[in-house]
Amino acid sequence: QKEVEQDPGPLSVPEGAIVSLNCTYSNSAFQYFMWYRQYSRKGPELLMYTYSSGNKEDGRFTAQVDKSSKYISLFIRDSQPSDSATYLCATRYSGGGADGLTFGKGTHLIIQP
Amino acid sequence: DGGITQSPKYLFRKEGQNVTLSCEQNLNHDAMYWYRQDPGQGLRLIYYSQIVNDFQKGDIAEGYSVSREKKESFPLTVTSAQKNPTAFYLCASSIDRVGEQYFGPGTRLTVT
Repeated sequence: QKEVEQDPGPLSVPEGAIVSLNCTYSNSAFQYFMWYRQYSRKGPELLMYTYSSGNKEDGRFTAQVDKSSKYISLFIRDSQPSDSATYLCATRYSGGGADGLTFGKGTHLIIQP
Repeated sequence: DGGITQSPKYLFRKEGQNVTLSCEQNLNHDAMYWYRQDPGQGLRLIYYSQIVNDFQKGDIAEGYSVSREKKESFPLTVTSAQKNPTAFYLCASSIDRVGEQYFGPGTRLTVT
């Protein structure tokens, strides 16, 4: 069983729409949750970083974590063509063991002008 | 400008040769990481270092080696023992072991 599951897409939506991107995870020990945006052939860019359950908002982006269902989401409001990219969710433990992140495979998002 | 640099952007090697990928950061971060990304796959951790002169194996360390002689530098060597070395290699750093990880631009290695 993979630790972080993410639909690879592609997900295509019209400009201005609200986008919902989602991941599920299996290990209840994960405490930190991140969303990265990656343009083609570039390094991932950190968008959101949250600890435990709840919502976090930053501009047009909202990250949501529901630990009871092991479900994490990223919402993008007023989507723009420049938001077209691959979005990676990532998780990590609170301490001990390996310190690296566990990533989903990424969702390829296309915003149609 | 603070950030993480990786060089070169593209690297081509013949099978059987060792190759070293460079990663430098001027963010004064203690922790540094190497990940590998293959098409359609998530990033996978190769090695990480929490402090100078110390590093730990990640999930796919076989065929790779690292050193951490300076805080700002964490080079990765892809050895001839790595069976499938062609991939996109990403270096990251964080202020400490629990801080946010920031990534460099990556090096695309092609071995033929």
